[in-house]
This record gives sequence, structure tokens and C-alpha cells, in this order.
Amino acid sequence: DGGITQSPKYLFRKEGQNVTLSCEQNLNHDAMYWYRQDPGQGLRLIYYSQIVNDFQKGDIAEGYSVSREKKESFPLTVTSAQKNPTAFYLCASSHAAGDLYEQYFGPGTRLTVT
Amino acid sequence: AQSVAQPEDQVNVAEGNPLTVKCTYSVSGNPYLFWYVQYPNRGLQFLLKYITGDNLVKGSYGFEAEFNKSQTSFHLKKPSALVSDSALYFCAVTYPNTDKLIFGTGTRLQVFP
Repeated sequence: DGGITQSPKYLFRKEGQNVTLSCEQNLNHDAMYWYRQDPGQGLRLIYYSQIVNDFQKGDIAEGYSVSREKKESFPLTVTSAQKNPTAFYLCASSHAAGDLYEQYFGPGTRLTVT
Repeated sequence: AQSVAQPEDQVNVAEGNPLTVKCTYSVSGNPYLFWYVQYPNRGLQFLLKYITGDNLVKGSYGFEAEFNKSQTSFHLKKPSALVSDSALYFCAVTYPNTDKLIFGTGTRLQVFP
């Protein structure tokens, strides 16, 4: 899983609560990404950031928020507005945003909301 | 729209036999193609990529993939499968000057002893 850490590995929350997932990288990468993984659907992009203090919505940003105050950190908040938050969440980083660079993934956080 | 398809949900192969995991992509310019592997409850690991040049790309753990422009395919191959190769494999595509990687739905490879 390279130099990317995600915590916690498992997270349980009650419906209606916001929850923040941590993602830290020590690879000195400029770009960071958040994906959601559901069985049979592959990975779907939630948000990505090309540089500190800047981020863009991905394909399924509704109900999520992010910040990028430091190069090494890209936390994801799952808000109560997210209708189906139970999923496996993966954070990734790459040398720079764009086409040539492979992404390095963290170990993931499995979120269960009941 | 740009997309990538993995037509097989699961591939079963006996240990020692060659394996192929299929991937096709939608036609739109010159794609950049990637393969990743995911072991249970883990993040994805990069295996190999095609950007330009030789159509046959070699990657980690003895895997290789062949870019075929006429068939818009990028199938993953290995000459001799190992039980430890059993995992979920994802193909992904992006295009020049785009920021996003588009993933397929994944193919589960099961290698039997």
C-alpha cells in the first residue's frame, strides 16, 4: 500500500451522523483522490485534488466534502446527506494529476452506517 | 463517453496454466491503459500501464498486457498462473489531458491448485 495510510480500517456510525475518513501520504505527491468501491461496480471517483487548497468534484460527490489544507493530507467527510454511505472507501495519490502517472492506493476504510 | 469494460466477472484457471483477463475500452483518441490488482480488504496495487510505444507491456509479478488498437483491447496475461495470483483485477483507462482514471467493474481471478 506504499506510503499512504488510511484510518481507521473499520468505522461504524449511526445514520444521521457526519463522519470523517483520514488519508495521509508521505510520497510527496501533488494529486490525491477519493474513491468509493461497491460490489460489482468497480471504483467510482468522489473527489480529487491536484494541488493544495484546490479540489474538484468527481462523479459521485453529492453527500461528501473534502479539504486539502496540507499536501500530505486529504480527509473525506461523509455527511448525513449521503443516502447510501455504507461502502469501502479508498484514497489514492499520484505524482501529479493527469494521464501518465499511476495512482498509489491506501488500504481502505470500510464504513458501515446503521 | 469514455469507458472501459471487463466482460468477465470471474475467471477460473488451474495453477500452471496460462491466464487471460479481458479488457476493452471505448474509442476516443489515444488511450492510456492501466491494470491494477486488489487482494481482499486491501487497496489496489499497480501492475502495469501502456502509454505509448511497444504494444506488449510487461509488469509486476510476471504479468503482461497487449495493447491492440484495432480491437480496442488491453488484455492481461500470464504464462503460468499461481494460486497466489487469485485476486480482483481492475482495468482502467484515461486519455491525454484528462485528470480522471476510469475503472472497469473488476474481474475476480481464481486459480485452483
